[in-house]
Amino acid sequence: GIQVEQSPPDLILQEGANSTLRCNFSDSVNNLQWFHQNPWGQLINLFYIPSGTKQNGRLSATTVATERYSLLYISSSQTTDSGVYFCAVPYQTGANNLFFGTGTRLTVIP
Amino acid sequence: DTEVTQTPKHLVMGMTNKKSLKCEQHMGHRAMYWYKQKAKKPPELMFVYSYEKLSINESVPSRFSPECPNSSLLNLHLHALQPEDSALYLCASSQPPGPPYFGAGTRLSVL
Repeated sequence: GIQVEQSPPDLILQEGANSTLRCNFSDSVNNLQWFHQNPWGQLINLFYIPSGTKQNGRLSATTVATERYSLLYISSSQTTDSGVYFCAVPYQTGANNLFFGTGTRLTVIP
Repeated sequence: DTEVTQTPKHLVMGMTNKKSLKCEQHMGHRAMYWYKQKAKKPPELMFVYSYEKLSINESVPSRFSPECPNSSLLNLHLHALQPEDSALYLCASSQPPGPPYFGAGTRLSVL
């Protein structure tokens, strides 16, 4: 089955710093999503990005489907950015039946 | 309203108990999902309902029994669980091509 690996597994940042999170996937996919899970467990969809680059405020994401990786950029980090970031790909084409990556746990300290 | 509501937020049950987890959404989404998340692990897909019919069961033990009474509700019936079933249970809904929306989860402890 598909493998989805994320790096780094853990990251500690000073508030205001920038960071890049990486997601590598083993098979071709037509849908890649990034999620943030806050410390209370709530999962929020950040990006649906099968290819190309998207930006939303301080966050942006780039997927290079031909090379099977995606990057999530966080600029000017804030303590509220703390939590776990997951990338996820579908089990099936066109579906939201998602296989989640291993996750990156981010801690932003004031 | 972009909310998926899960109840209860916390549940403690014994191995002989029967309990149910509930999930509700009013976004008109026709696909609903149950995921299980163990501590410090990613969520894992359990079940998918599409148009109120079970379309995917990811080899989940029969002590977990899903039910979709209508297009807004999704239940997960629990019976004779084991301590290793303790986890965060997440419900989600979606309407392709849009993204899934997740509830806040039910934290289940099996004693």
